Amino acid sequence: GESVGLHLPTLSVQEGDNSIINCAYSNSASDYFIWYKQESGKGPQFIIDIRSNMDKRQGQRVTVLLNKTVKHLSLQIAATQPGDSAVYFCAENGKLIFGTGTRLQVFP
Amino acid sequence: ETGVTQSPTHLIKTRGQQVTLRCSSQSGHNTVSWYQQALGQGPQFIFQYYREEENGRGNFPPRFSGLQFPNYSSELNVNALELDDSALYLCASSRAGQSSYNSPLHFGNGTRLTVT
Repeated sequence: GESVGLHLPTLSVQEGDNSIINCAYSNSASDYFIWYKQESGKGPQFIIDIRSNMDKRQGQRVTVLLNKTVKHLSLQIAATQPGDSAVYFCAENGKLIFGTGTRLQVFP
Repeated sequence: ETGVTQSPTHLIKTRGQQVTLRCSSQSGHNTVSWYQQALGQGPQFIFQYYREEENGRGNFPPRFSGLQFPNYSSELNVNALELDDSALYLCASSRAGQSSYNSPLHFGNGTRLTVT
């Protein structure tokens, strides 16, 4: 399948551990942020979003934290599973800017 | 609910040629965006269409153009292809309104374009 993110920062975690993926965004005026997951050979898939009037939002096994002071987003994945292996992107609104991505590798 | 579909999945063209990529939006979505994703990079915004008009454009030259049809399907056209145009082209649809980027995008699986 399509190979995405050959030279991206990589986070390697053991199955069952928690994962934290970080992202710095560029525009202080951005007010909507999204995390996407991209598996090899597929387009990005929506995981979770957060608006700037919040600093935390939880989904199923995922939590997004927003720190507007330092323009930082993080995605926390609880009990990481092999199916979580992918490249993860954060995106901010405005010009729909994507970060360069982080590759998450889950090993048994 | 039908997702975003793109065609073709793979395409090989020669430098200088023109190409048209097609996208069918997810049902109920009125906005379509196109992205270029080079290997090892995040998607780069090309442009967005709403109500058949361009509604925002990234840093791409005019030889990248698009169309949105009344049924919300869309085309991306690239003229005078260059080697650097080789990339994965992603289409994404959303329910965003004309002045809003505050809705999640639903992506297709892309068209892999290779320019030789």
